[in-house]
Amino acid sequence: AAGVIQSPRHLIKEKRETATLKCYPIPRHDTVYWYQQGPGQDPQFLISFYEKMQSDKGSIPDRFSAQQFSDYHSELNMSSLELGDSALYFCASSLKGHLNTEAFFGQGTRLTVV
Amino acid sequence: GQQVMQIPQYQHVQEGEDFTTYCNSSTTLSNIQWYKQRPGGHPVFLIQLVKSGEVKKQKRLTFQFGEAKKNSSLHITATQTTDVGTYFCAATYNQGGKLIFGQGTELSVKP
Repeated sequence: AAGVIQSPRHLIKEKRETATLKCYPIPRHDTVYWYQQGPGQDPQFLISFYEKMQSDKGSIPDRFSAQQFSDYHSELNMSSLELGDSALYFCASSLKGHLNTEAFFGQGTRLTVV
Repeated sequence: GQQVMQIPQYQHVQEGEDFTTYCNSSTTLSNIQWYKQRPGGHPVFLIQLVKSGEVKKQKRLTFQFGEAKKNSSLHITATQTTDVGTYFCAATYNQGGKLIFGQGTELSVKP
């Protein structure tokens, strides 16, 4: 079965650079979530999209932006990177309104800012 | 804000011992989900609880949702080394809403 695909799996950037993380949700899933997980931390909600519209916003810095495209893939754009942005970034997808709203997580993108 | 407290943070057990992790919210939840994350891996869905007082079992795992829908627990009977990982509860406060994760309980099992 198709899973959530994230790319790249690993990314190394320097301070003040920009990064773009991509997420391809499970086909027919209408909701995409972005989470940030620091070492030894729980996943922190950043932002979500439902049917290509932003549906919820969490602790996402102003330096970050995200969007969902017509083919339902989503991109997280991160600018002016800081050392503290180093983390695992997970994308998850689900089917909103479905009885079981489990979120399927991708493998994550490990971002290292040096 | 919406927050889910999970305890304990760490649990070290001998293989064969039982394990329990607890989650609490100060406000009523729409539903609660449980995820397992292996070291270096991604969260993997285990189960979802929706109804007040609901109890679900998956082999050696028992999940409970409190009567007031403010707390939940995961109990593992007779732990095995394959149970190693971090167990997260994740709550939603409205149908289809974002998942708010608890802090996680890291389980280590000594053979």
